[in-house]
Amino acid sequence: QKEVEQDPGPLSVPEGAIVSLNCTYSNSAFQYFMWYRQYSRKGPELLMYTYSSGNKEDGRFTAQVDKSSKYISLFIRDSQPSDSATYLCAMSERGGSNYKLTFGKGTLLTVNP
Amino acid sequence: NAGVMQNPRHLVRRRGQEARLRCSPMKGHSHVYWYRQLPEEGLKFMVYLQKENIIDESGMPKERFSAEFPKEGPSILRIQQVVRGDSAAYFCASSHDATLMNTEAFFGQGTRLTVV
Repeated sequence: QKEVEQDPGPLSVPEGAIVSLNCTYSNSAFQYFMWYRQYSRKGPELLMYTYSSGNKEDGRFTAQVDKSSKYISLFIRDSQPSDSATYLCAMSERGGSNYKLTFGKGTLLTVNP
Repeated sequence: NAGVMQNPRHLVRRRGQEARLRCSPMKGHSHVYWYRQLPEEGLKFMVYLQKENIIDESGMPKERFSAEFPKEGPSILRIQQVVRGDSAAYFCASSHDATLMNTEAFFGQGTRLTVV
């Protein structure tokens, strides 16, 4: 079983739709959770991070963490064509190794105008 | 303020040759991380370096791969005697602090290595 599982998609939605992206993980030591966005042929850019269970909102984006179920989600409201990209979840353990991120494979999202 | 600069963007090598990938961190950043993205795989941590020091190389293959971050100049990821399985996108990230939860790590655009 991989440490982090993420459905690669592809996921195609119409403009304005609510998008739900998810990851599950098996390592109970993961304490920090991140979502990155990666446009084609570009490097990943950090969208959101959180270290506690619950919801964190930033504009149209909401990150949700459920540590008891080892499940994290990213919701995108009012999706735009510019949101079309690959979304990567990433996690790290508490302590000195929190620079060492474990990534999911990424979900390719297309938002159609 | 330039971002993390990686070069070359694309690199083609024949089997058995050496590949050198360069990464210039953002201004003021002294922590550099290398990740590899194999086809159909997620990004995998390779190595974490500070100036002149390798801090954690637990993700580096035991043979043929090495990394350095000299006092002056870019960080270099070196792959000797490349094989087809080394074909991947190699990303570098930098931060001014190792605790990524307090300070964002910025990724470069990557070097896409193709071994023919």
